Amino acid sequence: AQSVTQLDSQVPVFEEAPVELRCNYSSSVSVYLFWYVQYPNQGLQLLLKYLSGSTLVKGINGFEAEFNKSQTSFHLRKPSVHISDTAEYFCAVSAGNQFYFGTGTSLTVIP
Amino acid sequence: EAGVTQFPSHSVIEKGQTVTLRCDPISGHDNLYWYRRVMGKEIKFLLHFVKESKQDESGMPNNRFLAERTGGTYSTLKVQPAELEDSGVYFCASSPLIWAGGDTQYFGPGTRLTVL
Repeated sequence: AQSVTQLDSQVPVFEEAPVELRCNYSSSVSVYLFWYVQYPNQGLQLLLKYLSGSTLVKGINGFEAEFNKSQTSFHLRKPSVHISDTAEYFCAVSAGNQFYFGTGTSLTVIP
Repeated sequence: EAGVTQFPSHSVIEKGQTVTLRCDPISGHDNLYWYRRVMGKEIKFLLHFVKESKQDESGMPNNRFLAERTGGTYSTLKVQPAELEDSGVYFCASSPLIWAGGDTQYFGPGTRLTVL
């Protein structure tokens, strides 16, 4: 069975500060890993995904994530956040035809 | 290119009533998925269509939920009769390829359903 844990439900951070949103997963099979973002009143938008190869994945809007197989983690990072990054972020794993999501992390960027 | 659209954006109904949610996937996408997020919890898979056929409906909560995809285009999700625990945000997603585990799913904005 697959599951995803996002340890932080809310993360406040000051503008231009770095941020890390944590994601851990468990799976009995090989998985593919995703981060999605949901801006207010919009659908989920893909930030980045890890399929294979380099464990450091770069996505849109300056975000990146690192796949760590030994720690079963896929943490999302950004070196300097902007007000427009305020949104909810979802980590997901795919196995077979389903996505398994975490509970989401609400990022609030404070001016 | 238009994204995934969902209608309505919000729906408020009384317990025992019927509600039908609609999803229009991105044109040409054979795969269509329904998910639900109950407040504060994770987004959970409901079912998966490939064209007009149900590929996997293992996430459907019970037989009060009925999903259809006419002609392999748009899809509807009917809840009849609605119960309080059906409240949540219902997301639709689509993808263009045969599902190989790494395909990106494109999500709609969701329908927020409130059952009173």
